Amino acid sequence: KAGVTQTPRYLIKTRGQQVTLSCSPISGHRSVSWYQQTPGQGLQFLFEYFSETQRNKGNFPGRFSGRQFSNSRSEMNVSTLELGDSALYLCASRLLGLAAYNEQFFGPGTRLTVL
Amino acid sequence: TQLLEQSPQFLSIQEGENLTVYCNSSSVFSSLQWYRQEPGEGPVLLVTVVTGGEVKKLKRLTFQFGDARKDSSLHITAAQPGDTGLYLCAGEAHLWGANSKLTFGKGITLSVRP
Repeated sequence: KAGVTQTPRYLIKTRGQQVTLSCSPISGHRSVSWYQQTPGQGLQFLFEYFSETQRNKGNFPGRFSGRQFSNSRSEMNVSTLELGDSALYLCASRLLGLAAYNEQFFGPGTRLTVL
Repeated sequence: TQLLEQSPQFLSIQEGENLTVYCNSSSVFSSLQWYRQEPGEGPVLLVTVVTGGEVKKLKRLTFQFGDARKDSSLHITAAQPGDTGLYLCAGEAHLWGANSKLTFGKGITLSVRP
C-alpha cells in the first residue's frame, strides 16, 4: 500500500506570494491533517479534514487555509507569504474508524522557503 | 491546552550506551505515539501505547506508558548510529477518535556517535 505523498517536495517563494501544497493520503484513509514544523516551535497543528469537512483547526491566521476533495486528497494554501512561514509542512493521514486509537502516518513533507 | 514536555531536549552519546528519554504531561491521554524523524523527512511511527503501565518492545527500543496515562518513556539499549534522529511523542485525547487530535511534544534530538 502506497504511503502518504506530498507535492512538491521543495518550494521557494517570495514574500507576498501565495502557495498551494498537495497531499494524497494512504488509500482508504479519510482524515488528513496538516502540520507546520520549525526548529523553534516544533510540530504545530494547522487543521484536520475528514470527509471534505474541517474537523479541527489550530491557532494559525486566516492566511492558512485548506480543503479536501471527495477522493480524500487535500490541499493547503498560504496567502500573502511572510518570512516566518518558511518551514517544513507535513501532511498526515489516518483511518478514523471505530478503533480505540487512530495511528497517524506522515508524508515526507514540503520544504517551503520564503525569501 | 494540553502540553507534552519531552526531555532531555538534546542528547549526544557514544555507540553502545544505553539511554532513556521522557515525555510528560499533566493531562491524561487515551493513547500515546512515538515517532522518529530524520532530517528533511516526515516522522515515522514507531509505536502506540494505549493501556496504563503498558510496555512495548521494538528490537532495542522499549516504550512504557505511565500508569496514569500522563507520561511515557523510551529506553534504547546499546544505541547505534542508525538510532540518530528526532524522537517525537504525541498524545491523543479522545478514546474513540471522534473529533480527536494529536498533541505533539517538541521532540528529543538524539545523536549517536560511532
